[in-house]
Amino acid sequence: QMLLQESGPGLVKPSQTLSLTCSVSSGSITSGTYYWSWIRQPAGKGLEWIGRIYTSGTTDYNPSLKSRVIISIDTSKNQFSLQLTSVTAADTAVYFCAREIRPWGQGKMVIVSS
Amino acid sequence: DIQMTQSPSSLSASVGDRVTITCRASQGISNSLAWFQQKPGKAPQLVLYSASKLESGVPSRFSGSGSGTDYTLTISSLQSEDFATYYCQQYYNTPRTFGQGTKVEIK
Repeated sequence: QMLLQESGPGLVKPSQTLSLTCSVSSGSITSGTYYWSWIRQPAGKGLEWIGRIYTSGTTDYNPSLKSRVIISIDTSKNQFSLQLTSVTAADTAVYFCAREIRPWGQGKMVIVSS
Repeated sequence: DIQMTQSPSSLSASVGDRVTITCRASQGISNSLAWFQQKPGKAPQLVLYSASKLESGVPSRFSGSGSGTDYTLTISSLQSEDFATYYCQQYYNTPRTFGQGTKVEIK
């Protein structure tokens, strides 16, 4: 069964760049025709879709975040990544990676604070 | 963006009760709808996809229906492990959008 695992710093300073990586195991990131997604959830709130990437590198971003988001993929490492620039406290959330609607990673808590 | 309006935002129910949650899309989504269950501190888990298809391993007391803009998740006989927050998500187009969630609590 395919597993996804988020990794990266749990604390980011305001105005800096949040960087997370999603490692895919028990399956190839290039198998099938799937998009690989990032979703986030502030504490006690709902889910927000950030964006997605296809193995070809094609991306789609949420217009609300588009100016600050870059999603990239490294098929040789079976990973994809999220960069969110110019972060503020409003970007504090649990960040999930997912292969479309399933499976999801367990989530990575990221706090934006000085 | 397609807006997903989920109701109710919370409900209290007892074990054995029949529970229904609804999700309305701001435009037709051709059954491209998923339902997720989320427990505190955990990632959302897929329950249903394509509006009515049960995810492998999910109990048959969960069912989904609907078409066009209106969709329903039903739990036929609520069990203790079903107390959680449920979200709908459309995957008809991007950006993907979620309902605001329905918290199912113990009465």
